[in-house]
Amino acid sequence: ETGVTQSPTHLIKTRGQQVTLRCSSQSGHNTVSWYQQALGQGPQFIFQYYREEENGRGNFPPRFSGLQFPNYSSELNVNALELDDSALYLCASSRGSIRRGNEKLFFGSGTQLSVL
Amino acid sequence: AQTVTQSQPEMSVQEAETVTLSCTYDTSESDYYLFWYKQPPSRQMILVIRQEAYKQQNATENRFSVNFQKAAKSFSLKISDSQLGDAAMYFCAYTKRAPNSGGSNYKLTFGKGTLLTVNP
Repeated sequence: ETGVTQSPTHLIKTRGQQVTLRCSSQSGHNTVSWYQQALGQGPQFIFQYYREEENGRGNFPPRFSGLQFPNYSSELNVNALELDDSALYLCASSRGSIRRGNEKLFFGSGTQLSVL
Repeated sequence: AQTVTQSQPEMSVQEAETVTLSCTYDTSESDYYLFWYKQPPSRQMILVIRQEAYKQQNATENRFSVNFQKAAKSFSLKISDSQLGDAAMYFCAYTKRAPNSGGSNYKLTFGKGTLLTVNP
């Protein structure tokens, strides 16, 4: 069933730069979530988009922003990169509905971002 | 705030043997989900098993089963007949049940993970 794709797979940036990471959701999924996974840690929730609107946000500063497009693909943008932003960024999609949520999440393989 | 604790940074098991990974969590919610995810070197998080807090029966998925102790806030994963392909990082995760509205409202809180090695 998995079909979440992320690009690029690896990226190297320097401190202060801006970066855009992309995620293509699995077909039929209208909800996308982004997670940051630092080395040796579990993923941390950044934010979620449902039908093109932000639907929840974790403890991340405003320089982390996102977009969800009409085809439900998504972007994660990070401005003014800091060294601590170096991490694996995971995208996950699911099929949100008007009924009770908590649908199964499908993860991509992530983008490994290195900030020098 | 919800927290998830995995006290075993690393575990190892012999092929065909059984291993149990531990997880404890803290929440004030009464209705929630617990998960075990597997992350192999490919980095993709793969759902292993899911438990709904209101269900007393422990979830099972083939060789994988959980021991869910709601009062103790404990959620361990048992892998039976371990296979070489089970070697991976295992994460315990929690989310409260989403409200009855649009969107999945899926904020997963993960533990730090347990690295499982399977020895041939």
